Amino acid sequence: EVQLLESGGGLVQPGGSLRLSCATSGFSFSNYAMSWVRQAPGKGLEWVSTISGDGGTTFYADSVKGRFTISRDNSKNTLYVQMNSLRAEDTAVYYCAKDRTTVSGHYPDYWGQGTLVTVSS
Amino acid sequence: DIQMTQSPSTLSASVGDRVTVTCRASQSITNFLAWYQQKPGKAPELLVYKASSLETGVPSRFSGSGYGTEFTLTISSLQPDDFATYYCQQYNSYSYTFGQGTKLEIK
Repeated sequence: EVQLLESGGGLVQPGGSLRLSCATSGFSFSNYAMSWVRQAPGKGLEWVSTISGDGGTTFYADSVKGRFTISRDNSKNTLYVQMNSLRAEDTAVYYCAKDRTTVSGHYPDYWGQGTLVTVSS
Repeated sequence: DIQMTQSPSTLSASVGDRVTVTCRASQSITNFLAWYQQKPGKAPELLVYKASSLETGVPSRFSGSGYGTEFTLTISSLQPDDFATYYCQQYNSYSYTFGQGTKLEIK
């Protein structure tokens, strides 16, 4: 059974930093791209970042480029995102997602339960 | 960036109704479209991929169709468990974008 468990969320001041983790099990982690998707309170879903299975390729939404860094440790089956220079508009539930890759692109087929990040003074 | 627009934003229906949600892309995405269901406080769940392929375990009352820029998700006979928010998502590039969501409410 595929399982994704996020941790590391919490309250942080504007300009601060936070690192989220996503521990996974039930699939061959290194064979799959992984993504972070966020959802602001009462709002829709927003793709944040994706990393390839070997960690060598990363993609970011314009809204987080230069501030967030996605990474993975395939020996620990764990996905990370380092979030710096946080803003109020980064407040959201952050989901980690296992991606299914196609010839054109990729889409999430499994999601974690999410972790809430609140940016406020 | 490819923009996705869903309609309606809210849909009121009754158990047993047939309902359709529409999703339009700002440019052609061929059939690289997925649909998700999200219940309050829960993570989204994949229903349909490649516009019309039903994910394993999803009830057959759900179906997807479309190609290019216009897509639909149809529920043939609403069940109480189907009242939720539905999102379309395009994956025609390295990034992906979601529609704004359609909330399906009990009439």
